[in-house]
Parts: sequence; structure tokens; C-alpha cells
Amino acid sequence: DIQMTQSPSSLSASVGDRVTITCRASQGITNYLAWLQQRPGKAPKSLVYDASNLQSGVPSRFSGSGSGTDFTLTISSLQPEDFATYYCQQYNSYPYTFGQGTRLEI
Amino acid sequence: EVQLVESGGGLIQPGGSLRLSCAASGFTFSTYALGWVRQPPGKGLEWVSSIGGSSGSTFYAAPVKGRFSISRDNSKRTLDLQMNNLRAEDTAVYFCAKYSGRTFDYWGQGTLVTVSS
Repeated sequence: DIQMTQSPSSLSASVGDRVTITCRASQGITNYLAWLQQRPGKAPKSLVYDASNLQSGVPSRFSGSGSGTDFTLTISSLQPEDFATYYCQQYNSYPYTFGQGTRLEI
Repeated sequence: EVQLVESGGGLIQPGGSLRLSCAASGFTFSTYALGWVRQPPGKGLEWVSSIGGSSGSTFYAAPVKGRFSISRDNSKRTLDLQMNNLRAEDTAVYFCAKYSGRTFDYWGQGTLVTVSS
């Protein structure tokens, strides 16, 4: 199975800050990498697919980059609604696997 | 608007069976693959199973293979997950998700399955 490792596990930031979350795959996954956001008690929301493409309706302050084994999610200017947990997910091959999550706190 | 609504969760004893359903609307159901992802209380996300659109090909995570069965009824626009021989470690919120391309774009709100005596 492909292991996905996110860093950091948690992050404290303020409204207006620029933050970056990283995700590393245990083997190359080309660009088959998604980023998801999950607010407490809610369903996941898909933000990015194919490493750098925003899902419809996702604000442009979110951006994704990377290929192969190393990927990043950047939020350019944090808004109050962005405080949540973020997961990366590989879909290069089954079983699909997720990172352990990064909790973004105020 | 895409909507995915799960049902069928509840409290079940170890060794028991449960059938989850996901009712879909807002897209051409038969065209898209669908999947189930679960989340144990306070923990991260775990992919469980997926099924193709037209092909109906199925895929399972190792911990559930042989115990869970995914199916779909394109005429009723429903996705099911039959779960047998349930274990305590199957306790989780189960999310139904729709594919776009190779991965998920829309998610349901989830249904809680608790396996406990």
C-alpha cells in the first residue's frame, strides 16, 4: 500500500496568514493527489484534484502543487472558515490511502 | 445539485450484519463510479470500497474484503454496502462519495455504525 505522510500534524495560524501543508507519498503517484477539507462534525469536502486543479467553487486562495512523491497545499490568506482539518489522498492505485490529517487551528 | 444521502447505520452487535444505502440525485447516476469511505470516531479517513459506473467493477480494502459487499442499482439511483461479520474496529461514520475521473468530488453527510455488545 502507498503510505501518505502529512506535515505538520497541527498548525496554529491567524486570519490573513499564508500557510502551507505538505504531503509525501511512499512511492511515486504522478499527479494523482487530492486535498480535502473537513470541518468538525461535517463531511469531507474535496478541494483539489490531480495535485493542482481546484474543484468547482473552491476559492482561489487555495492552491496545490507537486508531482511524484512531494505535494503541497497552500492557503494564501486564511479566512475564518478555513480553520479545519486537511487530508491528502492518493488515487494512483487501490487501495486509496489518506494522510493522517493536518489540524489547522486559530 | 449533487446530493448523496446515506442511511442504515446504527448499533449492532459483533458478528452481526448491517446494510448501508446511499440515495443519489443531481447527476447521471449510471455514468459515475461511487465509493464508501469511513472515519472511526476521532480518527482519520479510510477508503473502504468502490464500484464502477457502467462496468460495475468492485474494489475493497483488505480489512473488509470477504465481509463487505458493494452494489448499485442504477434504476433506483442507490448505492449499497452490505456489511457482514461486523467487528468493533468497523465502528465509524461511513461516507458515500461520487467519483469524478479517478477520485471523489462529492460526499454524503455520513451514517454512524457502532459495533458493540
